[in-house]
Amino acid sequence: DAGVIQSPRHEVTEMGQEVTLRCKPISGHNSLFWYRQTMMRGLELLIYFNNNVPIDDSGMPEDRFSAKMPNASFSTLKIQPSEPRDSAVYFCASRGDRVEYFGPGTRLLVL
Amino acid sequence: AQSVTQLGSHVSVSEGALVLLRCNYSSSVPPYLFWYVQYPNQGLQLLLKYTSAATLVKGINGFEAEFKKSETSFHLTKPSAHMSDAAEYFCAVSEKGGSEKLVFGKGTKLTVNP
Repeated sequence: DAGVIQSPRHEVTEMGQEVTLRCKPISGHNSLFWYRQTMMRGLELLIYFNNNVPIDDSGMPEDRFSAKMPNASFSTLKIQPSEPRDSAVYFCASRGDRVEYFGPGTRLLVL
Repeated sequence: AQSVTQLGSHVSVSEGALVLLRCNYSSSVPPYLFWYVQYPNQGLQLLLKYTSAATLVKGINGFEAEFKKSETSFHLTKPSAHMSDAAEYFCAVSEKGGSEKLVFGKGTKLTVNP
């Protein structure tokens, strides 16, 4: 298996632009997680899905952030409009056998 | 509510020395416990997990951790540090039968000196 796949790996955008991050979980995993990592705040859980249904989005910072999982093999995290303080590494993880497997992350820089 | 405390945000050891990274947890029910490692510019990778089998858990790269219920601890050790062990290490907890979320500690950055 290729593991969790995230795209793009790097994204540089200007404030106010829409950003869409993509994730393909490991096949057969029923749970998917989106995290954000910064030096200041560490690793934060933004939202997670079970069987494509959002279960807990209490970590989503504000209405500018939205996440979808239209099917078992694809999820998106969208930021609209983006702000400089959204600059971070965004990780997607999927769960199998109680273990979360992380993707390589998307490094986002909002100018 | 679950929580994880990692004592020491930075730990420095010499190559060949013992590595000890501390983790204490809080959980109202029997926990599942995990150690993850993050190398620079990479995602988190599972080192080992405790799921109520043996209390001494062996992981990859020579690491092991011991679950001590009386001390609510799950410290990570390695007898002899290697330069390639330099990374950030995260302890995490989830509750059996409870929320499926992992709660992560703030991480410990390990430096290995030659």
